[in-house]
Amino acid sequence: GNSVTQMEGPVTLSEEAFLTINCTYTATGYPSLFWYVQYPGEGLQLLLKATKADDKGSNKGFEATYRKETTSFHLEKGSVQVSDSAVYFCALSVRGGGNKLTFGTGTQLKVEL
Amino acid sequence: NAGVTQTPKFQVLKTGQSMTLQCAQDMNHNSMYWYRQDPGMGLRLIYYSASEGTTDKGEVPNGYNVSRLNKREFSLRLESAAPSQTSVYFCASSVRDRGEDTQYFGPGTRLTVL
Repeated sequence: GNSVTQMEGPVTLSEEAFLTINCTYTATGYPSLFWYVQYPGEGLQLLLKATKADDKGSNKGFEATYRKETTSFHLEKGSVQVSDSAVYFCALSVRGGGNKLTFGTGTQLKVEL
Repeated sequence: NAGVTQTPKFQVLKTGQSMTLQCAQDMNHNSMYWYRQDPGMGLRLIYYSASEGTTDKGEVPNGYNVSRLNKREFSLRLESAAPSQTSVYFCASSVRDRGEDTQYFGPGTRLTVL
C-alpha cells in the first residue's frame, strides 16, 4: 500500500535558522507529492507539490525536490520566520487511485525569536 | 469566492446522538472528500465522492454515512455518535487540471462526543 513517513516533532528553531523536515514515501504506483501546512485553528493549505521525479516544488521560500531514487520529498527553507510556525504534512496521491491523499502524521514547527 | 466552507465549527454530542456535518464548495470542483484528524495520526480519509451522484468508502468509513447532495455539497452523518469519533473533521474538494489533482480544505469541525 501507500504510506508517508515524516520526522517526528516538534521541531524548534530560532528565527532565520535553516529548516529541513524529512519525508519519505512508499507507493504502489507513480505518485504526486505534496506538502500541506496547517496554521493554528485553521484547515490545511497546499504549500507546494511535485508531480514527477526531479521536479522541485517551491512556494513562500519553501522548497522540496521529488527524489525517486531515495523515495523522498524533504521540505527545506533557508531562513524561517516566526510566522512559519505551523504543522507541516507530507502527502502523496497515486494516479488511478481515486485522487485520494495519503498523509504523514505531521511535523510541528515552532520558530522562536 | 469562499472556497470550502464547513458547518458547524464546533459541536459537542452525547454518546448515541446523531448529527450531520455540512460542507460546501463554490469552486465548481467535481471531487469532494471527508477526513478526520487525530493526534499523531495525520489525516485519514472517511469517504469521498469522485463526482456528483457517486460516493466511495475511504480508509475509516465505519460509523459514518455521506450524501453528495449536488455538485456543491457533501455532508457527513454520524447516526449514533461514539467517543471514538471525537476528532477534527475536514472536508476537501479537488478538480483535475492538466492531469493533476489538488485538494483544497475547509477550516474543519471540532467534534467532541461525551
